[in-house]
Amino acid sequence: GAGVSQSPSNKVTEKGKDVELRCDPISGHTALYWYRQRLGQGLEFLIYFQGNSAPDKSGLPSDRFSAERTGESVSTLTIQRTQQEDSAVYLCASSRALGPNQPQHFGDGTRLSIL
Amino acid sequence: DAKTTQPPSMDCAEGRAANLPCNHSTISGNEYVYWYRQIHSQGPQYIIHGLKNNETNEMASLIITEDRKSSTLILPHATLRDTAVYYCIAFRGAGTALIFGKGTTLSVSS
Repeated sequence: GAGVSQSPSNKVTEKGKDVELRCDPISGHTALYWYRQRLGQGLEFLIYFQGNSAPDKSGLPSDRFSAERTGESVSTLTIQRTQQEDSAVYLCASSRALGPNQPQHFGDGTRLSIL
Repeated sequence: DAKTTQPPSMDCAEGRAANLPCNHSTISGNEYVYWYRQIHSQGPQYIIHGLKNNETNEMASLIITEDRKSSTLILPHATLRDTAVYYCIAFRGAGTALIFGKGTTLSVSS
């Protein structure tokens, strides 16, 4: 079946602009995660959603970052007033539910470059 | 989540089995062992996971020692496309995020 889909695959924008990144999870997956991966670095957790529960925003680096999810489908990650330090690959993952026995499946990410 | 230790790199000849070790000596009873891999410019790909028993799927086998302090990922017939960074993760879920260490860079050559 279809995997996690992210768009755009690449985004180049000027410092100070707002950007919106989209994630389409695997159908039926109730949990959705956003991560960030800077060049040569490991994954940095940003936020996760589980069903209709309040999201866990503990990983968002600043109030310029926000994310929304419509029910158990599409999610958008918005970065306002982008800075050069925001340049990274933004990865989305989904799993059937929360729990240790629920693998997260990743998309190929959005490569964001701030000029 | 428990810390895991992996060798930084390994080589394997195409067609041979690749055996990737992982130490997780402080793993707790409710933590699963997960393996992911990441090929350049792609997102991490889930491979396999297990708790106590050995597991096998279409991609790989996972062998977990009886004391659960270490595990081995086995790719039975490595191909050039298996060249990637492989990550071993101890994960207890509960809404927490995956933490990727430095992993093992596997190079498969012909």
